[in-house]
Amino acid sequence: EAQVTQNPRYLITVTGKKLTVTCSQNMNHEYMSWYRQDPGLGLRQIYYSMNVEVTDKGDVPEGYKVSRKEKRNFPLILESPSPNQTSLYFCASSLTSDSTDTQYFGPGTRLTVL
Amino acid sequence: SQKIEQNSEALNIQEGKTATLTCNYTNYSPAYLQWYRQDPGRGPVFLLLIRENEKEKRKERLKVTFDTTLKQSLFHITASQPADSATYLCASEAGSYQLTFGKGTKLSVIP
Repeated sequence: EAQVTQNPRYLITVTGKKLTVTCSQNMNHEYMSWYRQDPGLGLRQIYYSMNVEVTDKGDVPEGYKVSRKEKRNFPLILESPSPNQTSLYFCASSLTSDSTDTQYFGPGTRLTVL
Repeated sequence: SQKIEQNSEALNIQEGKTATLTCNYTNYSPAYLQWYRQDPGRGPVFLLLIRENEKEKRKERLKVTFDTTLKQSLFHITASQPADSATYLCASEAGSYQLTFGKGTKLSVIP
């Protein structure tokens, strides 16, 4: 089944404890991205990647890192999480970087930083 | 700055009626608009894309229009059902290689 998977689905952590949220897609998509979704603010893009080893900042990149060493994986790294990073995170992928391509979203990761 | 806005946070409608959701854009002219459905706690799912040269697009009970004069897209669900209850998001390009999303409209279809 074609899908985007994220792990973990739920995470409660404490301020400053490094964490990684994994994202994997099995559709051979070139483009992958991370969003956060907050009440009243909607979906905002954190980082995106047009292909292996090519990443760029989205609208809200502060406090996050990403890497794209393999086509299928695009992990999101929070080196020193803070409470304002408590949010619902979504990974998405599309066939190419053409923004008309359909975005396929993962199931989401609900992160709470205490 | 360019904005994409869904002015209604929530819309309640009786089962069987047509639901109409609005997406407005300002300070730019998108070449297309996309519409997604999002159920609680789940990722958005793509529904339809309409380009600026298309006035209307249909898919089963869904219809999307794009009015470049009014700078607006309308999303219609005809013969609405309780299963259509969800949040609907519009999106368009935001510079190169990026999508920007509206905040969504939560539709509730009342039996």
